[in-house]
Amino acid sequence: DQQVKQNSPSLSVQEGRISILNCDYTNSMFDYFLWYKKYPAEGPTFLISISSIKDKNEDGRFTVFLNKSAKHLSLHIVPSQPGDSAVYFCAASRFGNEKLTFGTGTRLTIIP
Amino acid sequence: KAGVTQTPRYLIKTRGQQVTLSCSPISGHRSVSWYQQTPGQGLQFLFEYFSETQRNKGNFPGRFSGRQFSNSRSEMNVSTLELGDSALYLCASSSEGQEDEKLFFGSGTQLSVL
Repeated sequence: DQQVKQNSPSLSVQEGRISILNCDYTNSMFDYFLWYKKYPAEGPTFLISISSIKDKNEDGRFTVFLNKSAKHLSLHIVPSQPGDSAVYFCAASRFGNEKLTFGTGTRLTIIP
Repeated sequence: KAGVTQTPRYLIKTRGQQVTLSCSPISGHRSVSWYQQTPGQGLQFLFEYFSETQRNKGNFPGRFSGRQFSNSRSEMNVSTLELGDSALYLCASSSEGQEDEKLFFGSGTQLSVL
């Protein structure tokens, strides 16, 4: 039972353009959402998060949007840079609970 | 501040053997979680320890177990290894009480079962 889904295994975007990564969830009890970035041979690193009381959170080039009614969130990266090439994982939890439920990841490739 | 340290980085075992993986969390972090990453499956939650007590558990068989010591260091053990246990095992620590609590991951232990 995949409660967090990332339906695009891979995405290629030209440098300087916008990258949009999508994530859907099924468990309506989730109220805290995070994005992690992972390079090969390294552990995931935290990028940005959003709680269910918000619909948008920005941090520099990264913006996360949350649509609770659609149970959908997206990560926007503008402008995309070569160093953004990595696997991106969406994760969800109940606020204050250390257990994260992860999606299967989307491999983002930025084309110079 | 040192990050999360996992040892060893790589392990090769044969079916039926057992293995112990080690994790040292960030200093001051009392929560340690373990995840299994396999291709196409994302990160699957194994368990979480806080103050030497298992607080959350994922849907893995009893062959997977863990413990946490008084200094917050944690170990994970897998007994009677199967080929399907080949994966990257990630440990993460976190500090309670922050609004934007997040997990800090180690680089993982890559386990290959032959």
